[in-house]
Amino acid sequence: GAVVSQHPSWVICKSGTSVKIECRSLDFQATTMFWYRQFPKQSLMLMATSNEGSKATYEQGVEKDKFLINHASLTLSTLTVTSAHPEDSSFYICSAGTSGRSPYNEQFFGPGTRLTVL
Amino acid sequence: AQSVTQLGSHVSVSEGALVLLRCNYSSSVPPYLFWYVQYPNQGLQLLLKYTSAATLVKGINGFEAEFKKSETSFHLTKPSAHMSDAAEYFCAVSDRTGGYNKLIFGAGTRLAVHP
Repeated sequence: GAVVSQHPSWVICKSGTSVKIECRSLDFQATTMFWYRQFPKQSLMLMATSNEGSKATYEQGVEKDKFLINHASLTLSTLTVTSAHPEDSSFYICSAGTSGRSPYNEQFFGPGTRLTVL
Repeated sequence: AQSVTQLGSHVSVSEGALVLLRCNYSSSVPPYLFWYVQYPNQGLQLLLKYTSAATLVKGINGFEAEFKKSETSFHLTKPSAHMSDAAEYFCAVSDRTGGYNKLIFGAGTRLAVHP
């Protein structure tokens, strides 16, 4: 199956700093990538959908100026948490799909990034 | 709008016993449904998916699920639980509004398997 990687797998940062998380599709071209957030013992909440070369579409309630998403190539999307605060601590998971518009196309999930903001 | 409800946040079974994880959906269009498994501190792995073909879907690791339109259900089963099945399981429905295949997840069910 298709492989999606995330880097870093975990990160600890000080409050007020920015953190960048990378999501890469290793063996396929991902036209659409999705970013999710998961709090402990809770489900995944979609934050935004990004397409290569265009602006991301954010879900209601997600601050686009705080969570910057860039999908510069067909194999790489980045999520930058700007001016991170303790409440941003969470497990961030990305997924990638070959064609976001087709319901038959599976999303392949990365292993997640655990962010802890002190 | 599409939504998913997973009944039972925790399910505990004995090794070798039947596993039944419940999922009910709500959808204004014919749904596409998925079951994913998540092991601790890992991403999600697809177990199986229903895309309007056969109503009984077989997946990996011996899991299967049956789509029942009349009951709006897509329950996940496995005849005989193994210790390695202990994990978090998520049911999801595809939300195709807006043109993109977004996934709407249920709250998850944590499966414990004891000897």
